[in-house]
This record gives sequence, C-alpha cells and structure tokens, in this order.
Amino acid sequence: EAGVTQFPSHSVIEKGQTVTLRCDPISGHDNLYWYRRVMGKEIKFLLHFVKESKQDESGMPNNRFLAERTGGTYSTLKVQPAELEDSGVYFCASSQDEGRSEQYFGPGTRLTVT
Amino acid sequence: GQSLEQPSEVTAVEGAIVQINCTYQTSGFYGLSWYQQHDGGAPTFLSYNALDGLEETGRFSSFLSRSDSYGYLLLQELQMKDSASYFCAVRSFSGGYNKLIFGAGTRLAVHP
Repeated sequence: EAGVTQFPSHSVIEKGQTVTLRCDPISGHDNLYWYRRVMGKEIKFLLHFVKESKQDESGMPNNRFLAERTGGTYSTLKVQPAELEDSGVYFCASSQDEGRSEQYFGPGTRLTVT
Repeated sequence: GQSLEQPSEVTAVEGAIVQINCTYQTSGFYGLSWYQQHDGGAPTFLSYNALDGLEETGRFSSFLSRSDSYGYLLLQELQMKDSASYFCAVRSFSGGYNKLIFGAGTRLAVHP
C-alpha cells in the first residue's frame, strides 16, 4: 500500500510569488489534513477535508492560503502571494475515519520564501 | 487556550532508558498520541492512550494520567536509530471540531 505522498519535496520562492503544494493521500482515506511546522515549533493544524468538503479550516492563517480537494482524492494548498513568514514544512496526513487516533503523514514540503 | 509542553532536547546513551514527558492544557480531551519523526521524514504514529495507565509496544511504552493532564513516552534499550524528534499530540474537541493538537517536539540524541 502506497503511503501519503507530497510534491514538491522542496520549494524556494521569492516573496510575492505563488506556490502550489500537492498531497496524495492513501487510497480510500476520506480524511485529509494539512499541517505546518515552522522551525523548532509545534506541528500546527491548518485544515481538514472529509472527501471533497472542508470539515474544519480554523487553522488557516489568512486568505492567502487556499486549499482544495476536487473529487475527494488529492489535495492542493496554494499560497498566493507568499510572505516570508510562510516558510516552514507543510505536512499532509490522511486517515480512514475522523475519530481514529492514527494519522498517516507524508514526508512534507519544505517551503522557503526569500 | 490549548497548549502542550515537552522538553526541547534529551540526550541518552545506547542501551539506556529515557522518558519524554508531556503536559497539556486542552478542552474536550479524548486522548494522547505520540509520533516519531526522523530528520527529513514523515511523522509516524507510535502510540495512543485514551485511558489512564501504561501501554506497552515492544521497547516503547506510553503512559497517561488524565487527572494530572500528563503523559510520557518511555523508550527502553535505546538504539542509535531512535535518534529522532518525538511529538506528543492531544486529540481534543476544540471550536466544535475533533482535531490533533501537537507539541513542539523533543529532539532525542542517542550516543554510543
């Protein structure tokens, strides 16, 4: 069984540019989560999809961040325009059921905004 | 608010035992999870405690005291490959939603 995959693994962009991150969850997992870790700090929840619907987007920092999950399969997270404080590692995770304690994480996308 | 506290770094030698503590302050607590992350890798699930007590899985054990809002991860017979970051995470009901709230992680360095 393939795990959660994320693309790209690294991205370096200039302030003001746009970046789109992609996450492919484990096949059959309806629940998809985005997290962000700024260097040395906690892994912070951004949002949660159930299939194609946004269940909880309370962690999204501001309206420069847009997440989509068309068709309930892969998801994208777009940052437009990027700011310096957006730098960090963006993780995606998936799970079969919302209430399950175990989430399966991808390796993350390291975003650097210069 | 919601917060988790865990030590930022722990150092130990091969073969030793190390305990990583986690205290939390959250609303609507369901349980405490632990995740391991090697540098550049994906966080991977280690354990989950919903009830008070000790859960053992091989060399790793996890403990929870709901009344003290406290838990710990115990790693025995440490190996070099255990060098990684360890995150505690609370499953809580917050703002109308069921979500995982993570700590900042504890970086464990195992030396020969």
